[in-house]
Amino acid sequence: DQQVKQNSPSLSVQEGRISILNCDYTNSMFDYFLWYKKYPAEGPTFLISISSIKDKNEDGRFTVFLNKSAKHLSLHIVPSQPGDSAVYFCAAITYSGAGSYQLTFGKGTKLSVIP
Amino acid sequence: ETGVTQSPTHLIKTRGQQVTLRCSSQSGHNTVSWYQQALGQGPQFIFQYYREEENGRGNFPPRFSGLQFPNYSSELNVNALELDDSALYLCASSLDERGQRYFGPGTRLTVL
Repeated sequence: DQQVKQNSPSLSVQEGRISILNCDYTNSMFDYFLWYKKYPAEGPTFLISISSIKDKNEDGRFTVFLNKSAKHLSLHIVPSQPGDSAVYFCAAITYSGAGSYQLTFGKGTKLSVIP
Repeated sequence: ETGVTQSPTHLIKTRGQQVTLRCSSQSGHNTVSWYQQALGQGPQFIFQYYREEENGRGNFPPRFSGLQFPNYSSELNVNALELDDSALYLCASSLDERGQRYFGPGTRLTVL
């Protein structure tokens, strides 16, 4: 039972255009979400996050939108650059009773930005 | 500042064998977590160690075990390897239990 879903395995976008990556979740207890970027032969690196008390968070070319009622979030990259070509993972935080947390990841979307 | 490192990079084992994967945390980080990423899937949480104690575990059987050492480096041990254990194993360290996770490049394990 996948609690974080990324239904598009891949996405191709022209350089300079907008990239929109989507993510849906099923667990209404999730209250903090993150996006990670992964290049081949490297570990995932943190990109941007959003708390459930917000509906938008922006960091340079990257903006994450959260629609709690629809249990949906999206990552917008504007303008897209060839260096953005990577696999993007959506992740949600689950807190444990010990004050720690674990990440629940989606399957990822492979973004290709075409020069 | 040294990032998170993992060894070995690649490993091939046969079914039924045991394997140990290693992770060196980023300097000053006292929390380490391990994830399994099967082909075409996202990383799945295995377990987490905070100051040498396991304080969180995902849906993995007991043959997946770990250790965290006083210098906060860590090991993941898998006994009685199965074909489905073939995956990329990622470790992530953080300053504390609630801190940002910094991932290593992973160890690619192939079980034949």
